[in-house]
Amino acid sequence: QTVVTQEPSFSVSPGGTVTLTCGLSSGSVSPDYYPSWYQQTPGQAPRTLIFSTNTRSSGVPDRFSGSVVGNKAALTITGAQADDEADYYCLLYLGGGTWAFGGGTKLTV
Amino acid sequence: EVQLVESGGGLIQPGGSLRLSCAASGFTVSSNYMTWVRQAPGKGLEWVSDFYRDGNTYYADSVKGRFTISRDNSRNKVYLQMNSLRAEDTAVYYCARGTSFGELLRYWGQGTLVTVSS
Repeated sequence: QTVVTQEPSFSVSPGGTVTLTCGLSSGSVSPDYYPSWYQQTPGQAPRTLIFSTNTRSSGVPDRFSGSVVGNKAALTITGAQADDEADYYCLLYLGGGTWAFGGGTKLTV
Repeated sequence: EVQLVESGGGLIQPGGSLRLSCAASGFTVSSNYMTWVRQAPGKGLEWVSDFYRDGNTYYADSVKGRFTISRDNSRNKVYLQMNSLRAEDTAVYYCARGTSFGELLRYWGQGTLVTVSS
């Protein structure tokens, strides 16, 4: 069974840049996996940040960007702010109509 | 304005059944991708089921054969019928709308809590 992998935690200084990654237990992530990224703060529903690798959802500031780097999908936050402190999840399409989330990354600013 | 409102959660005994509803407004469910996602207490997100606009449905292995997603176009609602519930099904269940295959989870509801316990 394919597992989607993310760093459990990450820390960034205010104003800094951080890149979170999303990989596969076997194989490489490509745009064919339609990687998307979600932000969730405690007690709230998730919020969509990025879909189809690098398209920002409406209303998402341009300091959030998505890409595929090497064999992983990546979410880069440039100029991190205090309210970026949250859990971040990636979602990948595994084929056959099935999708899988990564375990999430807890970002501390 | 797009709104998704889930209901139907609650406390249910193991082996029991529950039907969740997702009431949509501001758009037509039949023209969109509708998804259920769940989150166990203190855990991460888990994709559960999809109802594509072409009528195809898909399920995670963890719920296949026990859960059924359906759509009522006249009521503009999506449902998740959950049978043979287990303790590990305890979670907040979110309904989400996608406007395209790549943007599967563009809009989210606030979720409804299902607790499976004796």
